[in-house]
Amino acid sequence: DTAVSQTPKYLVTQMGNDKSIKCEQNLGHDTMYWYKQDSKKFLKIMFSYNNKELIINETVPNRFSPKSPDKAHLNLHINSLELGDSAVYFCASSPTGVPEAFFGQGTRLTVV
Amino acid sequence: GNSVTQMEGPVTLSEEAFLTINCTYTATGYPSLFWYVQYPGEGLQLLLKATKADDKGSNKGFEATYRKETTSFHLEKGSVQVSDSAVYFCALSDRGYNKLIFGAGTRLAVHP
Repeated sequence: DTAVSQTPKYLVTQMGNDKSIKCEQNLGHDTMYWYKQDSKKFLKIMFSYNNKELIINETVPNRFSPKSPDKAHLNLHINSLELGDSAVYFCASSPTGVPEAFFGQGTRLTVV
Repeated sequence: GNSVTQMEGPVTLSEEAFLTINCTYTATGYPSLFWYVQYPGEGLQLLLKATKADDKGSNKGFEATYRKETTSFHLEKGSVQVSDSAVYFCALSDRGYNKLIFGAGTRLAVHP
């Protein structure tokens, strides 16, 4: 069974479009995250949610809007996509109070 | 703010060679420290962790010791295999913010 699953794995879209990436975890964790990995492999947190509530928003443009319908899901919606949004986006989860995170396989977003 | 610095790659080794990847950190308080590994085309996997000073994390022949006095968490393996070829990320978790801060990653290539 996949612990943290993201869909789609690959996403190619044109500038200006709106797209969503879905994430689900079946680990029973309370905290979920979105991380962005740029072309140089650098990883940085974007958002953190705990029990559906936003905990961290790391100065991400408001074109990015996370939504957590329940604590097992954290989706990422991106409006008006730009070339600079091209990256790999990773969803992750962890139990509350536990520092390590478990990552999904990533979604490679390419904006053309 | 908190940060992680890793040695730049790529690191190229022959099979059965000794591996060291240096990692140092800057943090307030007492963070937990991690090594994650990313195999080609895959997500991040937790390789090992240490949660307090002098702890040694180990897994799959890799090990790292939390050195508070030198603020370091160097990754070592006595005999690398071709299958160890991947990107290795050092990370810390500030308990107060419940997020991971990553180093830039070090690519390891092991040749037969």
